Amino acid sequence: LAKTTQPISMDSYEGQEVNITCSHNNIATNDYITWYQQFPSQGPRFIIQGYKTKVTNEVASLFIPADRKSSTLSLPRVSLSDTAVYYCLVGDRGRGSTLGRLYFGRGTQLTVWP
Amino acid sequence: ETGVTQTPRHLVMGMTNKKSLKCEQHLGHNAMYWYKQSAKKPLELMFVYNFKEQTENNSVPSRFSPECPNSSHLFLHLHTLQPEDSALYLCASSPSGADTQYFGPGTRLTVL
Repeated sequence: LAKTTQPISMDSYEGQEVNITCSHNNIATNDYITWYQQFPSQGPRFIIQGYKTKVTNEVASLFIPADRKSSTLSLPRVSLSDTAVYYCLVGDRGRGSTLGRLYFGRGTQLTVWP
Repeated sequence: ETGVTQTPRHLVMGMTNKKSLKCEQHLGHNAMYWYKQSAKKPLELMFVYNFKEQTENNSVPSRFSPECPNSSHLFLHLHTLQPEDSALYLCASSPSGADTQYFGPGTRLTVL
């Protein structure tokens, strides 16, 4: 499994755009990039997933350069409720032998201040 | 609400007790998972079931015993646990082993 590296923590203020970058130098051809959000004492929540270029949904955008060795989760205009741990994961879609094996790592603790 | 429910939400047990954690998913998924999350540590995958068959046991001690009677239900039977087993136990499901997993709210377990 491709291991990921992301900052341990980030701080931001309400209304700002937050970009969290994740490095995954050993990403394989079949791997997708997925981001989860976790609040204290709750299960992680799927945010967004992509393979290349840019993906956008109602919550966030995901930017993936051509070499796919990194990705950036972009949260527009954060609020206090976006304070959480954000995990970047890389893995195939389960069609191979890595059925369901996700390596969550320690994630990035995002703290949004008023 | 993710469509995955877990009961109980909180559990306190002694080291000699036997208890069970329950997970139920209402998403029609075929794969279900148990994770353990200790304080300040990453999530650790414990077990994976796909179409009711166990496909992964991540070197979990035998005091944790999973059961998957059907694709919608997953249990984790606990016996003779240790205080270091205190953690948040999370259940997840996915369509068929795809990496987009949907997590339940977890069971906060405290072993005295």
